[in-house]
Amino acid sequence: DIQMTQSPSSLSAFVGDRVTITCRASQGISNHLAWFQQKPGKAPKSLIYAASSLQSGVPSKFSGSGSGTDFTLTISSLQPEDFASYYCQQYHRYPPTFGQGTRLEIK
Amino acid sequence: EVQLVESGGGLVQPGGSLRLSCAASGFTFSNYAMSWVRQAPGKGLEWVSTISGGGGSTYYADSVKGRFSISRDNSNNMLFLQMNSLRAEDTAVYYCANGETEGGMLIHAYWGQGTLVTVSS
Repeated sequence: DIQMTQSPSSLSAFVGDRVTITCRASQGISNHLAWFQQKPGKAPKSLIYAASSLQSGVPSKFSGSGSGTDFTLTISSLQPEDFASYYCQQYHRYPPTFGQGTRLEIK
Repeated sequence: EVQLVESGGGLVQPGGSLRLSCAASGFTFSNYAMSWVRQAPGKGLEWVSTISGGGGSTYYADSVKGRFSISRDNSNNMLFLQMNSLRAEDTAVYYCANGETEGGMLIHAYWGQGTLVTVSS
């Protein structure tokens, strides 16, 4: 199975900050990577697919990059509604696997 | 608008069975693969199973292979997950999800609200 490792596991930031979350795959996955946001008690929400393509309706403050094994999710100008957990997921090969998650908290 | 609504969760004893359902609307159901993804309390997301649009291809996580069975009714826009021989570690919120496919792999763009399965005596 392809292992997905996110860092950091948790992150504290101020409103207005810009933050970056990293996701590393244990083997090359081309650009077959998605990012999700999840708030407590809610279903995950798709943010990005194909490593850098924004899902419809997702604001441009979210951006993704990377290819192969190393990927990043950047969130600019943090607002209170952005404080949540974020997950990466590879869809290069079965089984699809998720990173362990990054919890973004208000400082 | 894509809508996915799960049902069928509840409390079941270890070794028991449960059948989850997901009612889909807002898209041509038979054209799209569908998945089940679960999340144990306080834990991360875990893919469980995927079925192709026509139902002819199915995929399972090793942790559920031989115990769970995914199926679909394209006439009624329904997705199912039959869960047998349930274990405590199957306790989780179960989400159905769908989206486009690329290279045979489903991109999970849309998610239901989830249904909670608790396996306990």
